[in-house]
Amino acid sequence: DQQVKQNSPSLSVQEGRISILNCDYTNSMFDYFLWYKKYPAEGPTFLISISSIKDKNEDGRFTVFLNKSAKHLSLHIVPSQPGDSAVYFCAASRDSNYQLIWGAGTKLIIKP
Amino acid sequence: EAGVAQSPRYKIIEKRQSVAFWCNPISGHATLYWYQQILGQGPKLLIQFQNNGVVDDSQLPKDRFSAERLKGVDSTLKIQPAKLEDSAVYLCASSLGLLAGADTQYFGPGTRLTVL
Repeated sequence: DQQVKQNSPSLSVQEGRISILNCDYTNSMFDYFLWYKKYPAEGPTFLISISSIKDKNEDGRFTVFLNKSAKHLSLHIVPSQPGDSAVYFCAASRDSNYQLIWGAGTKLIIKP
Repeated sequence: EAGVAQSPRYKIIEKRQSVAFWCNPISGHATLYWYQQILGQGPKLLIQFQNNGVVDDSQLPKDRFSAERLKGVDSTLKIQPAKLEDSAVYLCASSLGLLAGADTQYFGPGTRLTVL
């Protein structure tokens, strides 16, 4: 039962353009969402988060949008840089004390 | 500040053998997590410790997996006996507070286990 889905296994974007990574979830009890970034042979690192009381959170080049009615969130990276090439994981939690449920990840490739 | 340390980085064993992984979390972090990440999937929580007590081990296959966190610092995860389907990357993470969902988790580099 995949409660968090990242339907695009990979995404290729030109350097300088916008990267949009998508994530869908099925559990309406989720109220906290996070994005992690992972380079090869390293563990995931936290990128940005959003709680269900908001619909947007911004941190520099990274913005996360949450659409609760559609059970969908997206991560926008503008502008995309070569160092952004990594696997991006979406994760969700049903309350602040509950375990994270992770998506399968999307591999982002930034082309020079 | 030193990050989360894990060893070994790679391990190859035969099925039915035993294996142990070690994790040293960031100093002062109360919560420690062990995740299993199978190729092509996201991390799956195996066990969560707060200090040296177990908070959640609902997805730990207890017939073959065991974990401990002595003195609320280092932790070891053991598999005995290993099966082919245990081939995965085992990630250790730690967080400062006690909120699994809301606190930022800091991950180690993982141990890649191959069971032949």
